[in-house]
Amino acid sequence: DGGITQSPKYLFRKEGQNVTLSCEQNLNHDAMYWYRQDPGQGLRLIYYSQIVNDFQKGDIAEGYSVSREKKESFPLTVTSAQKNPTAFYLCASSTGPVDEKLFFGSGTQLSVL
Amino acid sequence: KNEVEQSPQNLTAQEEEFITINCSYSVGISALHWLQQHPGGGIVSLFMLSSGKKKHGRLIATINIQEKHSSLHITASHPRDSAVYICAADNTDKLIFGTGTRLQVFP
Repeated sequence: DGGITQSPKYLFRKEGQNVTLSCEQNLNHDAMYWYRQDPGQGLRLIYYSQIVNDFQKGDIAEGYSVSREKKESFPLTVTSAQKNPTAFYLCASSTGPVDEKLFFGSGTQLSVL
Repeated sequence: KNEVEQSPQNLTAQEEEFITINCSYSVGISALHWLQQHPGGGIVSLFMLSSGKKKHGRLIATINIQEKHSSLHITASHPRDSAVYICAADNTDKLIFGTGTRLQVFP
């Protein structure tokens, strides 16, 4: 079955540590997105990529980095520069521009030790 | 004021009740999405609409572009409909998400 796989489901970060969240899709989608979800707030866009080897910052990119070396994969690194990383992170993909149907992964809950 | 507002924030219903969730937005949009987030966190896309009305099973979504308002209706609600329902406005540059409506349907 086609879909988006995020891993791990739960992740813990120590002070000063970088951690990487995985997002893989087998839907042959060009566009991929990373969102952050905090309690009581709407999803906020961290980074997005419309095509391989290209990505753009979203609204809250500071403290995060991404890569898009393969169409199927869009990993997100939460760096030590992100001072408040505890949140639920969601990866999404679509066939093209944002007005297409979105497919979401099951999310990764990141917590700081 | 948020660019996308949902109401109510929380909603409790008895099984079989007719449910309405509202979404108002203040930006120009090309489309509006309704999403469903289950307790485990995964999100499913329910509808994308730019005008009129769409129906899928017991779910109906409507949008009024002039009034900048959309509604999601659930007919004959069931406990398995319990989830957070999120609307997202597509203003071409990006999606702007509402904070969600938490629905609990009791037997």
